[in-house]
Amino acid sequence: GQNIDQPTEMTATEGAIVQINCTYQTSGFNGLFWYQQHAGEAPTFLSYNVLDGLEEKGRFSSFLSRSKGYSYLLLKELQMKDSASYLCALRDSNYQLIWGAGTKLIIKP
Amino acid sequence: IAGITQAPTSQILAAGRRMTLRCTQDMRHNAMYWYRQDLGLGLRLIHYSNTAGTTGKGEVPDGYSVSRANTDDFPLTLASAVPSQTSVYFCASSVEAGGGQPQHFGDGTRLSIL
Repeated sequence: GQNIDQPTEMTATEGAIVQINCTYQTSGFNGLFWYQQHAGEAPTFLSYNVLDGLEEKGRFSSFLSRSKGYSYLLLKELQMKDSASYLCALRDSNYQLIWGAGTKLIIKP
Repeated sequence: IAGITQAPTSQILAAGRRMTLRCTQDMRHNAMYWYRQDLGLGLRLIHYSNTAGTTGKGEVPDGYSVSRANTDDFPLTLASAVPSQTSVYFCASSVEAGGGQPQHFGDGTRLSIL
């Protein structure tokens, strides 16, 4: 079966850096996605990793280690608007997404 | 603006009633999905369609049905609503089911079953 774990909640300071971890167990792997979801809104796509390593996109970077079943999302130069939930999603062998419960990130001034 | 439109935005429904949630996309995406999102749980896939004319069951399909008569529309029907179906429902689409194509989401339908 599949399982995805993320911390429930994290707090960080405006201007700082935060790393949100995601660990997973799966019998089939076809990529890992990160989404951002503001309260009361729809999830929006942030990043996709299918090979090991770091993908950088502006202030956001995502890392994947397939052998360790581990990914993280790194947010730099935090802004108040980054307060949101961050969802990790695993694409399984049937090409469907299995979602983590999300990490609520609280940014303090 | 191209995207996914869901209707209604919110609905309060009596248990036992039939309800259809509408989803339309104008991006010519082949794959479409219905999820439910409940507090403390990840998004759970209800049904999906990899291309027009085909549908498949996701993780939590019981009590729900879908159809995909054309590329643009993917309605979700609750035949006889029950309180446990109270949730936020998101429709999503992607260019294809595989590859690195992300899923794009509608704004959601907030459904309360009393």
